[in-house]
Amino acid sequence: GAGVSQSPSNKVTEKGKDVELRCDPISGHTALYWYRQRLGQGLEFLIYFQGNSAPDKSGLPSDRFSAERTGESVSTLTIQRTQQEDSAVYLCASSLVPGGFVGNSPLHFGNGTRLTVT
Amino acid sequence: QKEVEQDPGPLSVPEGAIVSLNCTYSNSAFQYFMWYRQYSRKGPELLMYTYSSGNKEDGRFTAQVDKSSKYISLFIRDSQPSDSATYLCAMSGNQFYFGTGTSLTVIP
Repeated sequence: GAGVSQSPSNKVTEKGKDVELRCDPISGHTALYWYRQRLGQGLEFLIYFQGNSAPDKSGLPSDRFSAERTGESVSTLTIQRTQQEDSAVYLCASSLVPGGFVGNSPLHFGNGTRLTVT
Repeated sequence: QKEVEQDPGPLSVPEGAIVSLNCTYSNSAFQYFMWYRQYSRKGPELLMYTYSSGNKEDGRFTAQVDKSSKYISLFIRDSQPSDSATYLCAMSGNQFYFGTGTSLTVIP
């Protein structure tokens, strides 16, 4: 079956513009995560959705960042008034269950959106 | 103190060498331990996972967890140029925590 799909794969934008990044998780996966990966650095947790529960937004770096998810499907990450320090790869991941493994349910990643703010 | 510490490398080895990649962690509540492989311009892909302490082998890869020392390792035997990638350790309790990744190059 299809994996996690992210679009666009690359986005170049001018400082101050808004951008919207999209993630299509694996069908049936209730948990969805957004991470940011800066060049040469690890994965920085941004936000987590689990079913119809309130999302865990504790990783969002500022109020310029927001995310939505429609039910248990598509999610969009929006960055308003982009800054140069927002340049990074934004990774989306989904899993069948939240937080860890039950049986054989790992975290599956998309290939990310590479955002460049000029 | 970071939840997970991983030596960033880079690590360069000749083809056929045994590779050892390591991470330490601080939270004794972590239950699941994972290794992801990330090729350039791709997302991380799950390589190995273990639950609690012990060893797990899958082909040329062995994952080892020592909960008493809060230390996990990934061993790659008979390394191949196709193993050249960044390797991320990860662990979870009620959330996932990732190391910063170790860049590995296997030279033919």
